[in-house]
Amino acid sequence: NAGVMQNPRHLVRRRGQEARLRCSPMKGHSHVYWYRQLPEEGLKFMVYLQKENIIDESGMPKERFSAEFPKEGPSILRIQQVVRGDSAAYFCASSLTDKTEAFFGQGTRLTVV
Amino acid sequence: GDSVTQMEGPVTLSEEAFLTINCTYTATGYPSLFWYVQYPGEGLQLLLKATKADDKGSNKGFEATYRKETTSFHLEKGSVQVSDSAVYFCALGNFGNEKLTFGTGTRLTIIP
Repeated sequence: NAGVMQNPRHLVRRRGQEARLRCSPMKGHSHVYWYRQLPEEGLKFMVYLQKENIIDESGMPKERFSAEFPKEGPSILRIQQVVRGDSAAYFCASSLTDKTEAFFGQGTRLTVV
Repeated sequence: GDSVTQMEGPVTLSEEAFLTINCTYTATGYPSLFWYVQYPGEGLQLLLKATKADDKGSNKGFEATYRKETTSFHLEKGSVQVSDSAVYFCALGNFGNEKLTFGTGTRLTIIP
């Protein structure tokens, strides 16, 4: 059973471009969480999704950021018109239920130049 | 709001040394407390957890005790190994898995 898979591992984008980060949860997991780690800071919660539903997006910036977890395929975190301040490591986690252990992916390191 | 403060790294120890990584927190209510570990090139893994005051979490020789009076959850291991080299994150959660609050992480390097 493969773990949580995130891709790409490293992503470089120029200011103004779009970044799309993908997360494939562990098999059978329908709960997905996205976290962001800015340099020198801890991981910060962004959004919690179940299949086709956003449950809690209280940690998501109001503009330029969106997330989805479709019925088929991976969860996508999309950042439009990236700025230098978006440079960070983005971690995805998945769990079987909202009360069981969350398993984390290796993260995607986004660099905006 | 909730916050977690971790001992700053990096920490370098010799093999078989005693390890303590400090973690203190501020939170409303009665959170669960966690230690996650990230080995090189891998994702974060849950190392241990405690869900109420005075609980002790333990795994792989690591221990941490939930101290409500000092709002602390310090990670300890009696004799570290080279394979323990990793980044360690302290975290708290009030709602299960969502909205975990993490510390900044402590990079630990063990030298033979």
